[in-house]
Amino acid sequence: ETGVTQTPRHLVMGMTNKKSLKCEQHLGHNAMYWYKQSAKKPLELMFVYSLEERVENNSVPSRFSPECPNSSHLFLHLHTLQPEDSALYLCASSQVLGRHEQYFGPGTRLTVT
Amino acid sequence: RKEVEQDPGPFNVPEGATVAFNCTYSNSASQSFFWYRQDCRKEPKLLMSVYSSGNEDGRFTAQLNRASQYISLLIRDSKLSDSATYLCVVNRDSNYQLIWGAGTKLIIKP
Repeated sequence: ETGVTQTPRHLVMGMTNKKSLKCEQHLGHNAMYWYKQSAKKPLELMFVYSLEERVENNSVPSRFSPECPNSSHLFLHLHTLQPEDSALYLCASSQVLGRHEQYFGPGTRLTVT
Repeated sequence: RKEVEQDPGPFNVPEGATVAFNCTYSNSASQSFFWYRQDCRKEPKLLMSVYSSGNEDGRFTAQLNRASQYISLLIRDSKLSDSATYLCVVNRDSNYQLIWGAGTKLIIKP
C-alpha cells in the first residue's frame, strides 16, 4: 500500500546531528499527524495539522520541529536529540480533522546515539 | 486511571479457537471507537470501527457497552495470521484527538 509514505525508514543519528523525517500522503486527506511510539507504550500524539495549519502541539520539546508545506506533505525536523528520543515515529492522515479513521505510514525507526 | 486500558497479554490461543478481549475507557463523553491491529515492527492498521449497535466483519465482531464503558473484540476461528497486537482507540469526548491503548498481544499457535 502506498497511501502514506515515510522516509527514511531507519535513521541513526548522534545527539548533535540535525535530520528531517518526511511524510507524504496520497489519499487527498486534510489532516496529518505525527506520533511517537516507544516500546510497550501507547502511541503518543505529537503534532496535528489541518489544512496545513498546526492545531495541536502536545507539549513536545522544541528539539522536534514540524513543518507542513501543503496538505500532502509533513516533515519533522530533529536537532540535538536525546537517547530517550529513540522510538518509532509514525505519520498518519485522516480525511478531516475529527473523529475519523487514521491511516498510517510505515514509520521511521529512529536511534539516537 | 488511564484513559484507555487494555490487558497487555499475551493471549496464547490455539488455531481455530475463539478469543475475545476488552478495552475500558474513562471518558463517558467519548463517541468514536476503533480497533486497530499492529504487526511486529509495522504501523497500526485500522481493523474496524465500533458502532453503538455492534458490528461484524467476517470473523471479527466488535461491541460497545456504554453503560460499563468498554468495547470488545471477538475473533472466531482464529488463524495464525491473526497474531498481532490489537490496539483499542477512543476519541477524547468532542476533541479530535484519539487516545490509544497500549495494546493486547495475541499469539495464535498451530
